[in-house]
Amino acid sequence: GAGVSQTPSNKVTEKGKYVELRCDPISGHTALYWYRQSLGQGPEFLIYFQGTGAADDSGLPNDRFFAVRPEGSVSTLKIQRTERGDSAVYLCASSPGGGPVDTQYFGPGTRLTVL
Amino acid sequence: AQKVTQAQTEISVVEKEDVTLDCVYETRDTTYYLFWYKQPPSGELVFLIRRNSFDEQNEISGRYSWNFQKSTSSFNFTITASQVVDSAVYFCALSTQGGSEKLVFGKGTKLTVNP
Repeated sequence: GAGVSQTPSNKVTEKGKYVELRCDPISGHTALYWYRQSLGQGPEFLIYFQGTGAADDSGLPNDRFFAVRPEGSVSTLKIQRTERGDSAVYLCASSPGGGPVDTQYFGPGTRLTVL
Repeated sequence: AQKVTQAQTEISVVEKEDVTLDCVYETRDTTYYLFWYKQPPSGELVFLIRRNSFDEQNEISGRYSWNFQKSTSSFNFTITASQVVDSAVYFCALSTQGGSEKLVFGKGTKLTVNP
C-alpha cells in the first residue's frame, strides 16, 4: 500500500515569507507526527496529532510554527515569517494509533531552504 | 528526560566485515520502547526494529541482529557480512508509554561499506 507522502519535496523561500508543508499519512493511521532534521543531526520532534487534535505540541520552537489536521488525515505544517534557521528537512510520520507506542512510518521529507 | 547517545559518528568498513553500531539510552520510565531506523542517501527513514523494555531477548533478522541489555542501558545493532547497500546513516530512538509517544533520536552513525 501507499506510504506516507509529503509535498513539496523541496521548497526554497525567502526570509520573512510564509510556507506550508503537507503530509498525507498512511490510510487508516490515526496518529501523525512532525519532526525536523537539521544537517548531521537526528530528527527532532515538533508536534503529535491523535485524530484531529494536537495532543502534544511541545516541540514547536516558537509561535511562528503551527500545524493543523482538520479531518484527521492530511496535515499541514505552517511556518510564518520564515528565518534562515528554519532551513532543514521536515519529516512527517504516521502510526496506527492503537498503541502502546506503535511503530512510526516516515515520509520522504520536505527540504526547506530559507534564503 | 529521555536521551539517546550514539557515540560513533562515522564508521567505515570493507565489504563482508561485521560491524556493530552502539546505542545507549537514558530514561526514568520503566516501560519504554527502542527503535532502529536506517536513512539511506535517498533520505527516507526506514524502520528496522522495535523492542519493548520487557523483552530482553536478542533478535536476529537475516544479517541484522540486535543486542538489548537493560543492565547497561544499551541496544546495539550488528550487521554481519556487511554489503555496500548497507551504507547509510543509522538512528537509534527511544519512546515511552503514556506520553505523546514521540521518538527521541540519537545523532546517528554514518556507516560506509567499501567494496
